[in-house]
Amino acid sequence: EPEVTQTPSHQVTQMGQEVILRCVPISNHLYFYWYRQILGQKVEFLVSFYNNEISEKSEIFDDQFSVERPDGSNFTLKIRSTKLEDSAMYFCASSETSGNTYTGELFFGEGSRLTVL
Amino acid sequence: AQSVTQPDIHITVSEGASLELRCNYSYGATPYLFWYVQSPGQGLQLLLKYFSGDTLVQGIKGFEAEFKRSQSSFNLRKPSVHWSDAAEYFCAVGLGGSQGNLIFGKGTKLSVKP
Repeated sequence: EPEVTQTPSHQVTQMGQEVILRCVPISNHLYFYWYRQILGQKVEFLVSFYNNEISEKSEIFDDQFSVERPDGSNFTLKIRSTKLEDSAMYFCASSETSGNTYTGELFFGEGSRLTVL
Repeated sequence: AQSVTQPDIHITVSEGASLELRCNYSYGATPYLFWYVQSPGQGLQLLLKYFSGDTLVQGIKGFEAEFKRSQSSFNLRKPSVHWSDAAEYFCAVGLGGSQGNLIFGKGTKLSVKP
């Protein structure tokens, strides 16, 4: 069964360092997302991406964050200068469309746990 | 602003007992509604969804949920819980359109006693 894969599963970094989290969405999907879950808190929407550009972002997704689809298969989230409060589980998701119909099902990866020290 | 409330943080049920997890939402129109499950160390898996039509929806693993517009609720049910159902359950509201932005509740952790 097709699935969304994420790497790394766990990354530990020093505050101020740049981090890139990688995702391979399901191959025929067109919409891509990043969500995060701080320990003990809600899963929160960060950003959605379609047709090689950001289609929506939350207020969490500030200038420290960026997303890219560098090669047609990977979808990356970059945090330029990590802060302690960026420690969280980051989930990538993808969804398909049928024409202009949003099917509403997001397929999530297993997550990348980021620990900022 | 749209919001999702799951009033129960942690629920423990005996194996074989019935289960109901509560979810209330706040949204101006009829939302798209979802239940996701997260097993330890795993990603989020879709259990079921409601877009329109029949207000009782069936999902995977024997789960069902009922949309009640008058109560702004979308409670998840299972008639007989199995030990493998122990996980965290998230209710979510989708804002529709082509964006796919979901608003999640805080989740309910389900423990199952033998």
